[in-house]
Amino acid sequence: GAGVSQSPRYKVAKRGQDVALRCDPISGHVSLFWYQQALGQGPEFLTYFQNEAQLDKSGLPSDRFFAERPEGSVSTLKIQRTQQEDSAVYLCASSRDRGRSETQYFGPGTRLLVL
Amino acid sequence: AQSVTQLGSHVSVSEGALVLLRCNYSSSVPPYLFWYVQYPNQGLQLLLKYTSAATLVKGINGFEAEFKKSETSFHLTKPSAHMSDAAEYFCAVSDRGGNKLVFGAGTILRVKS
Repeated sequence: GAGVSQSPRYKVAKRGQDVALRCDPISGHVSLFWYQQALGQGPEFLTYFQNEAQLDKSGLPSDRFFAERPEGSVSTLKIQRTQQEDSAVYLCASSRDRGRSETQYFGPGTRLLVL
Repeated sequence: AQSVTQLGSHVSVSEGALVLLRCNYSSSVPPYLFWYVQYPNQGLQLLLKYTSAATLVKGINGFEAEFKKSETSFHLTKPSAHMSDAAEYFCAVSDRGGNKLVFGAGTILRVKS
């Protein structure tokens, strides 16, 4: 079946530009997560949705980062006024339900390069 | 708070040799633990997970991991390495509320022919 998809796969932005990254989770999955993976590091949590509700945004590094999931399916991560330190791979994951034992299924990521 | 330490950022083994990737965790609640593999330019794929059932967990591609509470470890093993196992491996622990995974820094596995 279809997995988690993300678009674009690659994005080059000039410093100061706004970018929008899209995530299509597995159909019917309740939970959706965004992670940031810097070069040579493990993924770090950004934010979590249960259906359309953003229940945890403790990992968003600044108020330039904004995420939404208005209809409880597709999600968009928006970064305003991009900075060079925002360069990273942004991973989206979804899980069937909420819970500590639930498997998170990851998309291929969007590689963002800010020049 | 939950945390994960992966010992060895790079591990190199010969084809056919034992693979051992180390993971130690810290958790304020009974842990749920995961191993993921990441191939270049791809997302993370689940290898196996521990959810408080059997302490020896078998996963895909011949990998297994053993949960040892006394050692706070969840090391990943495979008896015989294959060239296709070359990838980066991440150990992760589920946070207390189930809202996120906390990942280690990863271990890059190189398999020599």
